[in-house]
Amino acid sequence: KAGVTQTPRYLIKTRGQQVTLSCSPISGHRSVSWYQQTPGQGLQFLFEYFSETQRNKGNFPGRFSGRQFSNSRSEMNVSTLELGDSALYLCASRSGAGNTIYFGEGSWLTVV
Amino acid sequence: GESVGLHLPTLSVQEGDNSIINCAYSNSASDYFIWYKQESGKGPQFIIDIRSNMDKRQGQRVTVLLNKTVKHLSLQIAATQPGDSAVYFCAEIPLNSGGSNYKLTFGKGTLLTVNP
Repeated sequence: KAGVTQTPRYLIKTRGQQVTLSCSPISGHRSVSWYQQTPGQGLQFLFEYFSETQRNKGNFPGRFSGRQFSNSRSEMNVSTLELGDSALYLCASRSGAGNTIYFGEGSWLTVV
Repeated sequence: GESVGLHLPTLSVQEGDNSIINCAYSNSASDYFIWYKQESGKGPQFIIDIRSNMDKRQGQRVTVLLNKTVKHLSLQIAATQPGDSAVYFCAEIPLNSGGSNYKLTFGKGTLLTVNP
């Protein structure tokens, strides 16, 4: 079955703009979480959604937000982009009952 | 506070040798540990996991060992192949993440290079 799908794979934005990233979890998975990966900070948890509700949130400013739809697909949004937001944004999904967390290939965001 | 750290940032081995990648964690309440492999330009790929009530778990060519006494985790790769070259991350899920609130805390990663 298909894995976690993220779009777009690559994008370039200008400082001050906003961006929306999309994630389709593995079929049947109800939990979607987002992570930011940078060379300096490594992999850091952004937030997790389960059944359209945000269940957990990491230590990121309010410019970072997300949502989950009834079909479990999720989007994350970053407003007022800063240069430091340049990163690989990873989406991960997990079935409601299982523990294993599977990642997508990520969306590479470059802010110039 | 909670942290997961790796002892060695880089590891270089010869093809066919066994590799051991180490990881230390600080949260003794962590319930579940996962090893991921990340190749350049790709997302983390699940390798193997282990629960805190286990000491050892084996997969195909990989073994994860958990020593709760010293809060240490290791990933052993048998007969390492060039395709194993990647960054390896350990990750933990602390119990205080709650029932469905699975929040992975990652180590910084170890770069494994396999020389032919």
